[in-house]
Amino acid sequence: AQKVTQAQTEISVVEKEDVTLDCVYETRDTTYYLFWYKQPPSGELVFLIRRNSFDEQNEISGRYSWNFQKSTSSFNFTITASQVVDSAVYFCALSDGYGGSQGNLIFGKGTKLSVKP
Amino acid sequence: DAGVTQSPTHLIKTRGQQVTLRCSPKSGHDTVSWYQQALGQGPQFIFQYYEEEERQRGNFPDRFSGHQFPNYSSELNVNALLLGDSALYLCASSLDWNTEAFFGQGTRLTVV
Repeated sequence: AQKVTQAQTEISVVEKEDVTLDCVYETRDTTYYLFWYKQPPSGELVFLIRRNSFDEQNEISGRYSWNFQKSTSSFNFTITASQVVDSAVYFCALSDGYGGSQGNLIFGKGTKLSVKP
Repeated sequence: DAGVTQSPTHLIKTRGQQVTLRCSPKSGHDTVSWYQQALGQGPQFIFQYYEEEERQRGNFPDRFSGHQFPNYSSELNVNALLLGDSALYLCASSLDWNTEAFFGQGTRLTVV
């Protein structure tokens, strides 16, 4: 069965600290996609990144970076020099690879990040 | 360009009633997916519509049904509401199979 585990329920940091959000996934598919979404208090899910199972290169986008390791089935997300605006719930998700569609996303339970000034 | 819009924003219903939630996809998007998010949980996939047909379905009972119209907008219907149906219902739209999905702000349904 496919599953996404985000073991950290809540994390609290002080502004400018670096923070890493952990994500571990389970799947029997050889082709799959991994995602990170941000959910601010407004409720809307904001897409951050998609990574396919054949691309293990780490990615950096501004203060955000992602570390994908198939050997440990992990797809961790690091925010460098955190800011108050980064406060939100962050979800890691897995797609079953059905045509690459982002339908049928399997989400973790989320990690609530609080960045204090 | 409006993003994904959902209506209503909030809704209170009584057990046993029926409810219809609506979603207008982002302009140009033809695929709509619905998710249920209980408090403190991650979203769970309900179903996806493409070209007015249900393409995929998650592990939800038949009380949950949907429809997609020719203009790609979509409705989610839930019959015989249970207290456990109280949740945030999210709609996401995308173009074809392999593009980013945009989410709406959701409809908060409370069943009393």
